[in-house]
Amino acid sequence: IAGITQAPTSQILAAGRRMTLRCTQDMRHNAMYWYRQDLGLGLRLIHYSNTAGTTGKGEVPDGYSVSRANTDDFPLTLASAVPSQTSVYFCATSASSASWNEQFFGPGTRLTVL
Amino acid sequence: ELKVEQNPLFLSMQEGKNYTIYCNYSTTSDRLYWYRQDPGKSLESLFVLLSNGAVKQEGRLMASLDTKARLSTLHITAAVHDLSATYFCAVDMNYGGSQGNLIFGKGTKLSVKP
Repeated sequence: IAGITQAPTSQILAAGRRMTLRCTQDMRHNAMYWYRQDLGLGLRLIHYSNTAGTTGKGEVPDGYSVSRANTDDFPLTLASAVPSQTSVYFCATSASSASWNEQFFGPGTRLTVL
Repeated sequence: ELKVEQNPLFLSMQEGKNYTIYCNYSTTSDRLYWYRQDPGKSLESLFVLLSNGAVKQEGRLMASLDTKARLSTLHITAAVHDLSATYFCAVDMNYGGSQGNLIFGKGTKLSVKP
């Protein structure tokens, strides 16, 4: 494994179902982030984690939850999916939460909620 | 609320020509990032600009930051087809702090034609 992996690559989900998107990194970066990308809206931050054991809300956190039990994993959970959560989801990491550290992005998960 | 505006949103240019993409932001910040995204792919970091007057160049791309004008530019010199992609700027939303949460522009889709 090199860098950031996300799973699944894509998923079609019925509305109301629970779904967890996985993100794993092997770079030993402290900070991790979840974004959603929608056509015409760019990327918007959902949740972030500065270090294992801490999380914070981003720009569009409603309907999503995260946990950070260890350095490498940062799962994003949709407790009860709705069609407006159809999007491409990107996980990102940075060496630290300091804003002078660039963020590196995973390959993304394309999620469709019907 | 920090807003980030890119223009143009769509740019079609001929090979060999020069052009500039603009990124304006609404509140004080001195940390700005440029990313490239190919269709269906993830984001690739291009430039990290961390101070007023910062200028960075890589190949045919040059980025600059004017924090007083709240403006960054991405200049393309003698465009080639391989530069066709969507370019995003992103601004640190926490000026003066250490939290590196980014607000992204909507992206500029660049198409370079022979």
